[in-house]
Amino acid sequence: ETGVTQSPTHLIKTRGQQVTLRCSSQSGHNTVSWYQQALGQGPQFIFQYYREEENGRGNFPPRFSGLQFPNYSSELNVNALELDDSALYLCASSRTGGATDTQYFGPGTRLTVL
Amino acid sequence: DAKTTQPNSMESNEEEPVHLPCNHSTISGTDYIHWYRQLPSQGPEYVIHGLTSNVNNRMASLAIAEDRKSSTLILHRATLRDAAVYYCIPLNNNDMRFGAGTRLTVKP
Repeated sequence: ETGVTQSPTHLIKTRGQQVTLRCSSQSGHNTVSWYQQALGQGPQFIFQYYREEENGRGNFPPRFSGLQFPNYSSELNVNALELDDSALYLCASSRTGGATDTQYFGPGTRLTVL
Repeated sequence: DAKTTQPNSMESNEEEPVHLPCNHSTISGTDYIHWYRQLPSQGPEYVIHGLTSNVNNRMASLAIAEDRKSSTLILHRATLRDAAVYYCIPLNNNDMRFGAGTRLTVKP
């Protein structure tokens, strides 16, 4: 069983640019959640996708957007990058995304905005 | 959303039990209590979850207070590999809200 993978591992962008991060979910999982983790803090929920539809969103502006594909892999897009967007971006997959479901996290993408 | 309070840090000696407390006094009746941990340079990993009854699995035990306003994660014999940040998360939907967690240091 392949775990959750994310690409790229590290990324450096400049303020105002756009970035796309990718996540492949674990086999058999149809739900992907994205999180932002600033240094020294816990992960913050960005949004979740269930069967290609957004299924919940945290307190993030619209310049954070996402997609989920028919194979349940997912992308996180961030437009107009700001310095405060520098963080570790984590994705997690689960079977249903419900309250009793286990989320399996990838290793994350470290984004640095200069 | 239920707020959680956890100690910033705790220390344990190797091979000894560790009790990690979490206060979630505003928890709703339908919130499950999840615990995840994050080892250095890794994404979080699931540890255990429960609703009302105490729960055991191969990693840990979860003791839930009768009023559900607090819970305790129990590692029966801490190892060096258990050094991590431990998060308790009340959850009743898909919105998993991590707090700052407890950083557990295990001394040999």
